[in-house]
Amino acid sequence: EDQVTQSPEALRLQEGESSSLNCSYTVSGLRGLFWYRQDPGKGPEFLFTLYSAGEEKEKERLKATLTKKESFLHITAPKPEDSATYLCAVPVSGTYKYIFGTGTRLKVLA
Amino acid sequence: NAGVTQTPKFQVLKTGQSMTLQCAQDMNHNSMYWYRQDPGMGLRLIYYSASEGTTDKGEVPNGYNVSRLNKREFSLRLESAAPSQTSVYFCASSELGAGGAKNIQYFGAGTRLSVL
Repeated sequence: EDQVTQSPEALRLQEGESSSLNCSYTVSGLRGLFWYRQDPGKGPEFLFTLYSAGEEKEKERLKATLTKKESFLHITAPKPEDSATYLCAVPVSGTYKYIFGTGTRLKVLA
Repeated sequence: NAGVTQTPKFQVLKTGQSMTLQCAQDMNHNSMYWYRQDPGMGLRLIYYSASEGTTDKGEVPNGYNVSRLNKREFSLRLESAAPSQTSVYFCASSELGAGGAKNIQYFGAGTRLSVL
């Protein structure tokens, strides 16, 4: 069964304390992976698409990486404004559907 | 550039009442989606529309109906609301019609629905 699991469920960091969020998946025929950011009371906002294992993408303090089994979202020297829920999603091969993880709630303390 | 606009933002219904959630996008996208988001669960697809005039059931369609009124608008109707439909509903749109890494979805701000 296609599945996406994110860990940890919640993460509290001090400002400047780097860490990583994990998204592991079991899907047949991976066709890429998405990372979204969701602020409280808002809809998910697109961050990255990773197309194949070994690919990396960066945006400001965020760096996303992809292997054949999982993706990591590395946050370097985070700031309070990075506090949000981070979601990953994978498309289901042969369909228009996407499986979303339950997200990691990140809180960065000043 | 508004992107994806959802109305209303909040709604409280009594069991058995009906209502329609509205969604409009101004990005000239072909595909539109309705999701629900519940605590501890990922976003789950309710219905999908690949293009004007076509709709397909997603993972959790029971109790809902949809209408793709035109390319811009995609509405979700609850005919007889139940407490189990208390959730946050998100509409999304994407340029492409098929699943895949190039098919980035853009989301609205959501409708928070409580059914008493």
